[in-house]
Amino acid sequence: TQLLEQSPQFLSIQEGENLTVYCNSSSVFSSLQWYRQEPGEGPVLLVTVVTGGEVKKLKRLTFQFGDARKDSSLHITAAQPGDTGLYLCAGNAGNNRKLIWGLGTSLAVNP
Amino acid sequence: DAGVTQSPTHLIKTRGQQVTLRCSPKSGHDTVSWYQQALGQGPQFIFQYYEEEERQRGNFPDRFSGHQFPNYSSELNVNALLLGDSALYLCASSLLAGGSNSPLHFGNGTRLTVT
Repeated sequence: TQLLEQSPQFLSIQEGENLTVYCNSSSVFSSLQWYRQEPGEGPVLLVTVVTGGEVKKLKRLTFQFGDARKDSSLHITAAQPGDTGLYLCAGNAGNNRKLIWGLGTSLAVNP
Repeated sequence: DAGVTQSPTHLIKTRGQQVTLRCSPKSGHDTVSWYQQALGQGPQFIFQYYEEEERQRGNFPDRFSGHQFPNYSSELNVNALLLGDSALYLCASSLLAGGSNSPLHFGNGTRLTVT
């Protein structure tokens, strides 16, 4: 069974701090997606990483795909209260369209 | 351009009852996937529909069934409701031709409470 483990499960920080969220697996993924979900809403895609070692930036968010395509990280610089939400990673193992989802990291950024 | 819409937004049912949830995909999308999400956890894949047929299924019992209509909209039916079925049910649409990296567009979900 393919699993994606996210850590930490919960994170509460002050505005302006930096943080990193991890998504790890023993399996290789052809691509990995990161989503953010705010209370009362569905997840919204932030980024898709495809190539091993790939780094993508989205304003203050930096996403990295591991060289072996088994893990990924999300780094947020100078976190803001608007970054609060559940961050989910989802891996695609190949032609199979069923994504493998992590359990998420619940982030709270306090003003 | 309307995104994914789900109805109803909230629903309260009693154990043993049946429920039908509805989803309209994003304009131009042809594939609909359904997920169950417990509070504070990631989505669990239920099944996916394309061309009015169930194409993939997760580890959910036969009490969970679905349908896709010619206009690509979809329904999720759950029979013989259990307390453990209480969750947020999410619908996501995508374009099959977009390939395996085609992003999922989620609706805001239906919050089902079984008492």
